[in-house]
Amino acid sequence: GQSLEQPSEVTAVEGAIVQINCTYQTSGFYGLSWYQQHDGGAPTFLSYNALDGLEETGRFSSFLSRSDSYGYLLLQELQMKDSASYFCAVKGFNKFYFGSGTKLNVKP
Amino acid sequence: DVKVTQSSRYLVKRTGEKVFLECVQDMDHENMFWYRQDPGLGLRLIYFSYDVKMKEKGDIPEGYSVSREKKERFSLILESASTNQTSMYLCASSSGPPAVKGEFFGPGTRLTVL
Repeated sequence: GQSLEQPSEVTAVEGAIVQINCTYQTSGFYGLSWYQQHDGGAPTFLSYNALDGLEETGRFSSFLSRSDSYGYLLLQELQMKDSASYFCAVKGFNKFYFGSGTKLNVKP
Repeated sequence: DVKVTQSSRYLVKRTGEKVFLECVQDMDHENMFWYRQDPGLGLRLIYFSYDVKMKEKGDIPEGYSVSREKKERFSLILESASTNQTSMYLCASSSGPPAVKGEFFGPGTRLTVL
């Protein structure tokens, strides 16, 4: 089967930088996606990497290395509102695989 | 403002009942998805549809069926509900290639099967 590994929980302070890693064991997928989900809320799509390298969107950046089966989400200038769960996902045509999520706790 | 709505936020059903979960999107998106989310398991794709009357099985289609008679509406059907189908069900929609673009999610339906 397919599996994606993420740390279950990460804690950081406001204003800091945090990196959430995602390793996967799959092939033949189109790209790596990241989602944010606040407690009690629906997931929100954050980013998508089709190619190796870094994609930047404001304070958030996402990275993919297919040769290393690895990606990460980088959050800069952390704010309290960034406290949420973050999921990585790889997608093929009809196979979408999500990690179990990383709970980010941002402390003042 | 983009919007995906689901018919119920909370639903309680009994084992063996037929359950309908409805989802409507107002963005004219071609793709619609049904996921379930369980603690420690992340999101799992049940079915998706890339066009009216078209459907594709996802990772865990067993025990579920879907219907897409109109572009804006995608229904998930539990033919005979079982306790292991107690979960949060999330509907989503997107445009473009299904596996590429990010989806817009609805608020979710928390289904409890007794």
